[in-house]
Amino acid sequence: EDQVTQSPEALRLQEGESSSLNCSYTVSGLRGLFWYRQDPGKGPEFLFTLYSAGEEKEKERLKATLTKKESFLHITAPKPEDSATYLCAVPIYNQGGKLIFGQGTELSVKP
Amino acid sequence: DTGVSQDPRHKITKRGQNVTFRCDPISEHNRLYWYRQTLGQGPEFLTYFQNEAQLEKSRLLSDRFSAERPKGSFSTLEIQRTEQGDSAMYLCASTLEGSNQPQHFGDGTRLSIL
Repeated sequence: EDQVTQSPEALRLQEGESSSLNCSYTVSGLRGLFWYRQDPGKGPEFLFTLYSAGEEKEKERLKATLTKKESFLHITAPKPEDSATYLCAVPIYNQGGKLIFGQGTELSVKP
Repeated sequence: DTGVSQDPRHKITKRGQNVTFRCDPISEHNRLYWYRQTLGQGPEFLTYFQNEAQLEKSRLLSDRFSAERPKGSFSTLEIQRTEQGDSAMYLCASTLEGSNQPQHFGDGTRLSIL
């Protein structure tokens, strides 16, 4: 069964304290992995697409990496404005690109 | 800004009433998706359209739910005889058909059933 699992469910950091979020997946025929950011009361905002194992993408303080079984979202020297829920998702092969999401990691960065 | 827009943003209704939500996708996107999200969970797929054709529906989509996309532009999602368990955020996303194109989401309609 296709499945996406994120850990931890919640993460509290001090400003400047770097850390990583994990996304593990079991899907047949991975055709990419997406990271989204979601603020309270808003829809998910697209961050990155990773296509193959070994690929890395960066945006400001965020860096996403991908292996054959999991993806990491590394947050370097976070700021309070990085506080949000981070979601990862994979498209299901041959099903119109519908996404299966993990449950998300709620990140809180305190000043 | 020409992102995905959803209307209304919030809907409060009594159990048993019918509700309808609207989604306007990014204009050049031919694929449109509906998802449902409950507190503390990731979005769950409900259905999707390619142009005006509804190509897949999740088992989550009971007979009380119906979605349309006339003329392949905006879409509506209707819930008949609402139940307490229908309370959730309903999200719409759109994308251009093609391998691994990211889906872009609207800000959702939050439905509360009294």
